[in-house]
Amino acid sequence: SAVISQKPSRDICQRGTSLTIQCQVDSQVTMMFWYRQQPGQSLTLIATANQGSEATYESGFVIDKFPISRPNLTFSTLTVSNMSPEDSSIYLCSVRQGPSYEQYFGPGTRLTVT
Amino acid sequence: TQLLEQSPQFLSIQEGENLTVYCNSSSVFSSLQWYRQEPGEGPVLLVTVVTGGEVKKLKRLTFQFGDARKDSSLHITAAQPGDTGLYLCAGLFSGTYKYIFGTGTRLKVLA
Repeated sequence: SAVISQKPSRDICQRGTSLTIQCQVDSQVTMMFWYRQQPGQSLTLIATANQGSEATYESGFVIDKFPISRPNLTFSTLTVSNMSPEDSSIYLCSVRQGPSYEQYFGPGTRLTVT
Repeated sequence: TQLLEQSPQFLSIQEGENLTVYCNSSSVFSSLQWYRQEPGEGPVLLVTVVTGGEVKKLKRLTFQFGDARKDSSLHITAAQPGDTGLYLCAGLFSGTYKYIFGTGTRLKVLA
């Protein structure tokens, strides 16, 4: 299984600022995703990070608010822009491997916006 | 909108008890996964089921995929405090590449 690391593990940010979250995988993967998990909730898919092209966003998420980069097959970043307290969540990077599309998650980035 | 409903939403039991968590949808899955998430960590994959009627066992955990591939269950025998966590099902619907996550079941096992 893939080993995924995320930076930072947590941060407290001021309203109106931006934070970039990094996701590093120990092997090349085709499919990489970003999820949000609001306090006490399940996971919501933000976007699919596509290598060499623009990310594919889910309904309710836009590129201006959550710009994503995927420069190669082992790395991606998610930026949370112009933050508000409603953006306080855990942000999770995940990858998919194997014939059964097994999905693996990073440890998450816990963001608090004050 | 494709939804996965999990029940119960919360469960608090004593060590040694058995429990079952359900994951239901009105749509057919091409595959389904179960995860456990502990505080401060990402979800950890427990199992993937792909065939209708399939049963998989992982020590004290038994996973079943419904015959029609619209539902799944997770049964834990003789629960232990280490089983405490958020259990999530995630379904891959035919014709898509994206997993949709269930509403989650928060389990607490008391010593």
